[in-house]
Amino acid sequence: GAVVSQHPSRVICKSGTSVKIECRSLDFQATTMFWYRQFPKQSLMLMATSNEGSKATYEQGVEKDKFLINHASLTLSTLTVTSAHPEDSSFYICSARPTGGDWETQYFGPGTRLLVL
Amino acid sequence: AQSVTQLDSHVSVSEGTPVLLRCNYSSSYSPSLFWYVQHPNKGLQLLLKYTSAATLVKGINGFEAEFKKSETSFHLTKPSAHMSDAAEYFCVVSDRNSGYALNFGKGTSLLVTP
Repeated sequence: GAVVSQHPSRVICKSGTSVKIECRSLDFQATTMFWYRQFPKQSLMLMATSNEGSKATYEQGVEKDKFLINHASLTLSTLTVTSAHPEDSSFYICSARPTGGDWETQYFGPGTRLLVL
Repeated sequence: AQSVTQLDSHVSVSEGTPVLLRCNYSSSYSPSLFWYVQHPNKGLQLLLKYTSAATLVKGINGFEAEFKKSETSFHLTKPSAHMSDAAEYFCVVSDRNSGYALNFGKGTSLLVTP
């Protein structure tokens, strides 16, 4: 149980295009989902927290107009990287907190590797 | 502010020997502490967590960690390494002050040699 999927697993796009990444909780509902970014050989940095049906909360330094987050249902959150540039190339990981679960429990997706040419 | 410091970026052990991955934390409140493992192409997996109950925490796959408040440490250990333990390990801290957001350390890469 408690499986989180991400799609696509990897994507290559041209500079200036937009890319959408999906995060799904497969066997549980998640009112809250999180988006992280991981640079090579570095830690995960929280980008934003998304709550179903409301606007995402972005961490300091994360451009909300560049990284659009939509959490339209209890099992799906999407991250859209708009007008992607090479510096946006990274590993993006989502996690989901089960609805009604304890505050610290998060289940992680396998990640999406984005390469912007 | 809360943070964790993983003292080693790389650790190499021989199969069958003990594993020690070191982590120190800083937190203004009673922290919750976690160890996660990341295998290539797989999602982060929770190994164990400490949430103010027993200070010696047992996790999956034979791992355990001890919360030592006096040393602000939460080191991860395993008596005997397996080849399958080779992965990236993250120490993570969370507390009420941060809204229970997970704050990750920089990770320790564990290499297990035959």
